[in-house]
Amino acid sequence: QKEVEQDPGPLSVPEGAIVSLNCTYSNSAFQYFMWYRQYSRKGPELLMYTYSSGNKEDGRFTAQVDKSSKYISLFIRDSQPSDSATYLCAMSGSGGYNKLIFGAGTRLAVHP
Amino acid sequence: DSGVTQTPKHLITATGQRVTLRCSPRSGDLSVYWYQQSLDQGLQFLIQYYNGEERAKGNILERFSAQQFPDLHSELNLSSLELGDSALYFCASSTRPDRPNEQFFGPGTRLTVL
Repeated sequence: QKEVEQDPGPLSVPEGAIVSLNCTYSNSAFQYFMWYRQYSRKGPELLMYTYSSGNKEDGRFTAQVDKSSKYISLFIRDSQPSDSATYLCAMSGSGGYNKLIFGAGTRLAVHP
Repeated sequence: DSGVTQTPKHLITATGQRVTLRCSPRSGDLSVYWYQQSLDQGLQFLIQYYNGEERAKGNILERFSAQQFPDLHSELNLSSLELGDSALYFCASSTRPDRPNEQFFGPGTRLTVL
């Protein structure tokens, strides 16, 4: 079993829809949770960074972490065609300068 | 633009050869990470350096090695290349003590081994 599980999709939604992306994990030592967006053949771009449980909002993006369920989510409101990309969840343990463990990535397509 | 630079963008070489990938971290970042992204394995951590010292190793093959220089740029050396080494290689950097493990990725080097 992988440490981080993420449905690879693809997920196809109409423009304006609310998108929900999820990851589950097995390692209870994970304390830092991130979401990256990766356009085709480009470097991952950090979207959201959260520590421990709770919600964080940034514009159209909301990240949720439920450590009791070992489940994290990213919501995208009012999705746009420019949001079409692969979304990767990533997590790391406590302390600084740790490696990131990534999910497989979910491919999202937002069609006009 | 994350501020992390990587060269070259693309590299095409033959099996058995050796290549060097270069990474310059964001200004002020002391920590550099190397990751490999392939279709079947996803993004996998290879190795980490902090201020010139090796800090952690992941799934890095013995044919691969890395170093971080006094000016903080890093190089990843891949030798005796095999077809299966074809992948995207990313470098990431971080430094903020108040946001541990927040890593910024470069644009990557696409390696094709023929």
